[in-house]
Formats: sequence, C-alpha cells, structure tokens
Amino acid sequence: GAVVSQHPSRVICKSGTSVKIECRSLDFQATTMFWYRQFPKQSLMLMATSNEGSKATYEQGVEKDKFLINHASLTLSTLTVTSAHPEDSSFYICSATGPGQGRGGYTFGSGTRLTVV
Amino acid sequence: GESVGLHLPTLSVQEGDNSIINCAYSNSASDYFIWYKQESGKGPQFIIDIRSNMDKRQGQRVTVLLNKTVKHLSLQIAATQPGDSAVYFCAETIQGAQKLVFGQGTRLTINP
Repeated sequence: GAVVSQHPSRVICKSGTSVKIECRSLDFQATTMFWYRQFPKQSLMLMATSNEGSKATYEQGVEKDKFLINHASLTLSTLTVTSAHPEDSSFYICSATGPGQGRGGYTFGSGTRLTVV
Repeated sequence: GESVGLHLPTLSVQEGDNSIINCAYSNSASDYFIWYKQESGKGPQFIIDIRSNMDKRQGQRVTVLLNKTVKHLSLQIAATQPGDSAVYFCAETIQGAQKLVFGQGTRLTINP
C-alpha cells in the first residue's frame, strides 16, 4: 500500500533556531500534501496544503513566513519551522494524496514530535 | 467540523462489548467522510470511509452510519478488543476541495 515516510520522528531544538521536517511518499506520486499540527489531547489542525510545484495555501491564522513549506517534487515536501519558540512545540503530521492512492485517498506520515527549549 | 482548543471526550467500554463513537459536522456541503484511529505518538490510520450518497457502510467489525439530516456520523466497533484502545477521529472533505478537515476526536479505552 501507499507509504509516507516522515522524518525526523522527534527533534529538540533551541529557541530561535529553525527546524526542517521532511515528508516523502515512497511508492506513489504525491501531487498534494498537507501539513497538520496536533497539540496534546486535541485534534489535528490543518496548517497548509501544498501542490507540487506551487506555493502552499495556508489556513487562516497560520503564519506563512514562520512555517515554510516546499513541495518541489512529487515525492517530497518539507516544513521548516523558522525562529522556533516554545509555543511551537507540538506534533506535526504530514499527509499526501495522489494517483494510485489506497483506501481513503490520504496517507499519513508517522508524525514529528517537536520540542523547543 | 473543525475543533480548536477542545479536549478529547472519552469513552470506556468493556472488552467484548460494542462501542459507538459519534461525530457531528457542520457543513452541509461535506461529501466524503473518513474515520481514523490514532495511537499515541503515531499518525492517523484509516479505518473506514463513506460518501455522502450513502447512509451506511460496513467493514470488518466496524460500521459507519451517516445521517445527513442532522449532520451526524457514527462509528460502531463490534466485539471490542484491547487493541481498539486509541483516539478516533472523523474527518471530512467539502465538495470541490481536497483538504481533509478533522473533527474533535474521542478517546476509546477498552477495559479488560
């Protein structure tokens, strides 16, 4: 079945630094990728949608200059959290969709636990 | 619908019993619904889906019911097992849009 690999699974960074999270589709072409953020005991909140080769579309309230999204190829999207602050600590999850998807049409990565100290 | 800043409701069920998890949505243009299971520290795992032109769909030990009149979705899990303990989310797409929006979620605990 369709597989999405997300890396790293955990990262700790210092305040003010930037962190990059990668999301790769391993066996299908991800024409569209989505990035979510999930705080403890809460639901997944959609941050942005990115189509391959296009600029990402951000949800209301999400700072595009802080959360940089790149989707330069059909198999890779990256989310860079710039000038991270402790309040950015969260669980970040990517999802991908494209031709040849399995059940549901959306495949999720395993998530990245970001801790900003 | 979207949930912001809300904490997850919980449901406890005895092993072997059936469980019903509910979800309300607000947009009448929502046309596709998916139930996901999320275990701690992992991404969501697909369980079952249903399109808005259907009322019911069954899978292995799971059934999804859709009531468009009251904008309500439910997930029934039969003969629950300890491995069913997780957080369950409903998610929806709105007609013409690709993005998948998650509902509030419910933490299901199966008691031995």
